[in-house]
Amino acid sequence: QVQLVQSGAEVKKPGASVKVSCKASSNIFMSYGVAWVRQAPEQGLEWMGWLSDYNGKTNYAQKFQGRVTMTTDKSTNTAYMEVRSLKSDDTAVYYCGRGRVGAIDYWGQGTLVAVSS
Amino acid sequence: DIQMTQSPSTLSASVGDRVTITCRASQSVGMFLAWYQQKPGKAPKLLIFQASNLESGVPSRFSGSGSGTEFTLTINSLQPDDFATYYCQQSNSYSWTFGQGTKVEIK
Repeated sequence: QVQLVQSGAEVKKPGASVKVSCKASSNIFMSYGVAWVRQAPEQGLEWMGWLSDYNGKTNYAQKFQGRVTMTTDKSTNTAYMEVRSLKSDDTAVYYCGRGRVGAIDYWGQGTLVAVSS
Repeated sequence: DIQMTQSPSTLSASVGDRVTITCRASQSVGMFLAWYQQKPGKAPKLLIFQASNLESGVPSRFSGSGSGTEFTLTINSLQPDDFATYYCQQSNSYSWTFGQGTKVEIK
């Protein structure tokens, strides 16, 4: 049974950074990639970016360029996403997922990041 | 970025109905179109990838069609478990994008 387990909820102040982890039960990212998606309260899904496990290349959505970093630790089958300079409208549930053939077939349970002063 | 527009935004239907959701892309995405189902408080679930391929374990009442800029998700004989929000997502471009979602409600 493939599982992606994300780190717990975070509360941050504006201007702070957050790093969300996504641990896979096996090396499911191998030869595929990791995608990150967020969902603000009562809103739709927003694609943030993708990291290729094959060559380590990242693609970030333009609105997150320079503020988001996606990485993986292959030794622990864990993916990470760091968001810097948090604003109140970054409050959302952040999801990781395995990217395969242009879709996300396995998803983490989501991590709530609340940004409030 | 490629914009994805779903219609309708909300759909009221009854158990047993045939339901169709449309997703239009602002430019061609080829066959790189996926559909997801999401229930409140849960992560999305992949239903269809590459426009018409049914993900393993997804009931056959779900089907996808289309190419280029226009795609449809059809649910034949709507079941109680199908009341949810559905999203399309393109991956043809460097930057993936989702549609705004279609909520399927009980009539």
